[in-house]
Amino acid sequence: NAGVMQNPRHLVRRRGQEARLRCSPMKGHSHVYWYRQLPEEGLKFMVYLQKENIIDESGMPKERFSAEFPKEGPSILRIQQVVRGDSAAYFCASSPPSENYGYTFGSGTRLTVV
Amino acid sequence: QKEVEQDPGPLSVPEGAIVSLNCTYSNSAFQYFMWYRQYSRKGPELLMYTYSSGNKEDGRFTAQVDKSSKYISLFIRDSQPSDSATYLCAIGAGGGNKLTFGTGTQLKVEL
Repeated sequence: NAGVMQNPRHLVRRRGQEARLRCSPMKGHSHVYWYRQLPEEGLKFMVYLQKENIIDESGMPKERFSAEFPKEGPSILRIQQVVRGDSAAYFCASSPPSENYGYTFGSGTRLTVV
Repeated sequence: QKEVEQDPGPLSVPEGAIVSLNCTYSNSAFQYFMWYRQYSRKGPELLMYTYSSGNKEDGRFTAQVDKSSKYISLFIRDSQPSDSATYLCAIGAGGGNKLTFGTGTQLKVEL
C-alpha cells in the first residue's frame, strides 16, 4: 500500500510563475490536508479538503493560493505569481474518514523561488 | 504568545539515555495530542496519539499529557542513534481536523 505521494519532490520557479503541487492520498483516505514548513518554523496548517469540497481554508493566504481535491485525480495546491517568500517545504497529509487527527504525511515538495 | 511552545534544542544525548521532550500549550480547547518524528528532508511520521490526560506507552516511547498544566511530554527510553531526528508535538481541538504544531526539537543521539 503506497503512502501519500507528493510530486514533484523539488520544484524551482522564477518569481511571477505558477507552482502546482500534487498530492495523491493513501488508498481509502478521503481527507487531505496541506501544511507549509518554513525554515526554523513548525508546520503551519493551510487547508483541509474532502473530495470536491474545501472544508477549512483558514490557513491559506487570501491571494495567489488555491487548492482543490477533485472527484478523480490528486489534490492540487496552486500558487500563482510566486514570490521569494513562498519558498518552503509543502507537505500533504491524508486520513480516512474515521480518523480525524491520525494523519499520514507525504515526503513533501520543496519549492524554491529564484 | 504562541499557541504551542516547544524548545527547539538541539538536544544531544549519549546512546542509551532517557530523553524527555516537552511542549506547553495555551488553549484549553485542545483535546488531541500527538508526537511526530521527522528525519531530515522527510515528511513527519506519527509516533504517538492520545486524547486524554495520563500516560500512553508504545515500546520505548511514552507520551504524557497533563491537561491541568497544559503540558505534554514524550519520553524515549534506551535512545538509539536512529532516534536522531526532529520531534514535533502537534495538538488539535475537538470538532475539526486542523493540527497546531510546535516548532520541533532537534535530537541527536551519539554513540
